[in-house]
Amino acid sequence: SQQGEEDPQALSIQEGENATMNCSYKTSINNLQWYRQNSGRGLVHLILIRSNEREKHSGRLRVTLDTSKKSSSLLITASRAADTASYFCATDLIQGAQKLVFGQGTRLTINP
Amino acid sequence: GAGVSQSPSNKVTEKGKDVELRCDPISGHTALYWYRQSLGQGLEFLIYFQGNSAPDKSGLPSDRFSAERTGGSVSTLTIQRTQQEDSAVYLCASSFRLAGWADTQYFGPGTRLTVL
Repeated sequence: SQQGEEDPQALSIQEGENATMNCSYKTSINNLQWYRQNSGRGLVHLILIRSNEREKHSGRLRVTLDTSKKSSSLLITASRAADTASYFCATDLIQGAQKLVFGQGTRLTINP
Repeated sequence: GAGVSQSPSNKVTEKGKDVELRCDPISGHTALYWYRQSLGQGLEFLIYFQGNSAPDKSGLPSDRFSAERTGGSVSTLTIQRTQQEDSAVYLCASSFRLAGWADTQYFGPGTRLTVL
């Protein structure tokens, strides 16, 4: 089963509203990262949060991490049409795989 | 500096033919990754290089798939005797992965492979 599971799989909101996406994982991590993908091409790194951090901000992005619940959330405030994309969480595991493990992604659509 | 580049950007081939996909990572990045993404799906890990060696090739779907990396830089992913189910976007990423560093990956634009 997937290490990272995003929820919801798809989200559609009106421009200006806030969008929240969640990610759950199963094993202990060094850090968790969020990536964005436009139009099925290369992913772009958005933000990294370390296992000893609880919250991090970058512009309109806010990421939280709850290691006790093994979950993270990505909040995009004041959404814009250009935020329409797929968003993936990726976990950097303490043990096991020597690579980031990506979830299946949340498809976000911002309606004008 | 230049990002990760991949070539070709699109490849259409006939079933049974061999294809080679190329990835040029960011200069100095020690780690290189290949992923596959089918339409509307998540990323499927294929293989990971650290330098020229591949400590993890667990994601290669069959022995028709192989990859190599030379000079700690360019990598090629080869698919022999292509099948229609190989149709997907093949993404390459690189990172400056050293002990104690977070493995933030930088992705190329991908190669869209279509097998007819």
